[in-house]
Amino acid sequence: DQQVKQNSPSLSVQEGRISILNCDYTNSMFDYFLWYKKYPAEGPTFLISISSIKDKNEDGRFTVFLNKSAKHLSLHIVPSQPGDSAVYFCAASVWNNAGNMLTFGGGTRLMVKP
Amino acid sequence: NAGVTQTPKFRILKIGQSMTLQCTQDMNHNYMYWYRQDPGMGLKLIYYSVGAGITDKGEVPNGYNVSRSTTEDFPLRLELAAPSQTSVYFCASSYYGGRANQETQYFGPGTRLLVL
Repeated sequence: DQQVKQNSPSLSVQEGRISILNCDYTNSMFDYFLWYKKYPAEGPTFLISISSIKDKNEDGRFTVFLNKSAKHLSLHIVPSQPGDSAVYFCAASVWNNAGNMLTFGGGTRLMVKP
Repeated sequence: NAGVTQTPKFRILKIGQSMTLQCTQDMNHNYMYWYRQDPGMGLKLIYYSVGAGITDKGEVPNGYNVSRSTTEDFPLRLELAAPSQTSVYFCASSYYGGRANQETQYFGPGTRLLVL
């Protein structure tokens, strides 16, 4: 039972345009959401996060939107650059006494064409 | 400051062999994690540790063991390798100081393991 799903395995976008990556979750207890970026042969690196008490968080070209009623979040990249080509993982967590355990989606491969 | 380092980068094992995947972090993080990533899948938590001497199972612990004798090191042991353990393994660490004071997880570059 996948609690975090990224239904698009890949996405291709022209340089300069907007990239929109989507993520759905089923566990209403999740209270913190993150996006990680992964290049080949490297570990994932943190990109941006959002708390469940917010509906938007922006960091430069990257904005994450959270729709709690729909259990959906999205990552917008504007404008997209060729260096953004990578696999993007959505992750969610629910706090417990053991800390911040992350549940990951399957990833979306973004290709930004020059 | 090297962050999270993992060795080896790549290893081929025969069925039934054993090996230890090494993970070291130099950020003085109290929390450490082991994940595996299968093709087309997200990362699944194998084991985690909240501090030296304390470990606990994650989502997919079967076939693995861990130990945490120091803050810096968190090795993952495969005792009897099986083809189902072919995967990419990532170690991660984070600082956790309570719900209001926590950092995101920092990942190592991964170990690619092939069991034949």
